[in-house]
Amino acid sequence: GDSVTQMEGPVTLSEEAFLTINCTYTATGYPSLFWYVQYPGEGLQLLLKATKADDKGSNKGFEATYRKETTSFHLEKGSVQVSDSAVYFCAETSGSRLTFGEGTQLTVNP
Amino acid sequence: DTAVSQTPKYLVTQMGNDKSIKCEQNLGHDTMYWYKQDSKKFLKIMFSYNNKELIINETVPNRFSPKSPDKAHLNLHINSLELGDSAVYFCASSQGRQGAYEQYFGPGTRLTVT
Repeated sequence: GDSVTQMEGPVTLSEEAFLTINCTYTATGYPSLFWYVQYPGEGLQLLLKATKADDKGSNKGFEATYRKETTSFHLEKGSVQVSDSAVYFCAETSGSRLTFGEGTQLTVNP
Repeated sequence: DTAVSQTPKYLVTQMGNDKSIKCEQNLGHDTMYWYKQDSKKFLKIMFSYNNKELIINETVPNRFSPKSPDKAHLNLHINSLELGDSAVYFCASSQGRQGAYEQYFGPGTRLTVT
């Protein structure tokens, strides 16, 4: 079946550092791609999404570009804050269900 | 107002017991889901209902039974609880049955089986 592979965590950065979390998917065709974020003690919430090749999703300073040629959807942020500390999930769908990656724990220190 | 709510937030019980987790959404969505998140944060879908009809039923032990009395509620009943059932269970909802719709998650129910 389809799968999503994320960069292994945990990732620890200092405030204002540049963030990249890699994500690749295996689904064929043109799945929709997502990044969800889970803050401590909470459920997941949608961070951004892209529905076709070369689309860029963006929100709260985070960006990810749908790269069909490399089947990737890497998450980036130019300057992270302590409040960005959370678990980040890449996900894809080409039907009625979301397939999530393993999640990447991000800790940002002041 | 909470969009997707779950009760209880914490559930501690002994092996062999039967327990239920309730979920309600006030977003007017047609589709609801149950996910299981293990201790390593891995998230796996268990069930999905669309307008009270079961549309996703993953390989889950028969001890788990979802029930949707109406499209705003999706409850999860677990019989004969086992140690391996300990996890955080998330309910979610979305506007439509296609995965491309944004899913809204509840706060989770942490189940601990002793």
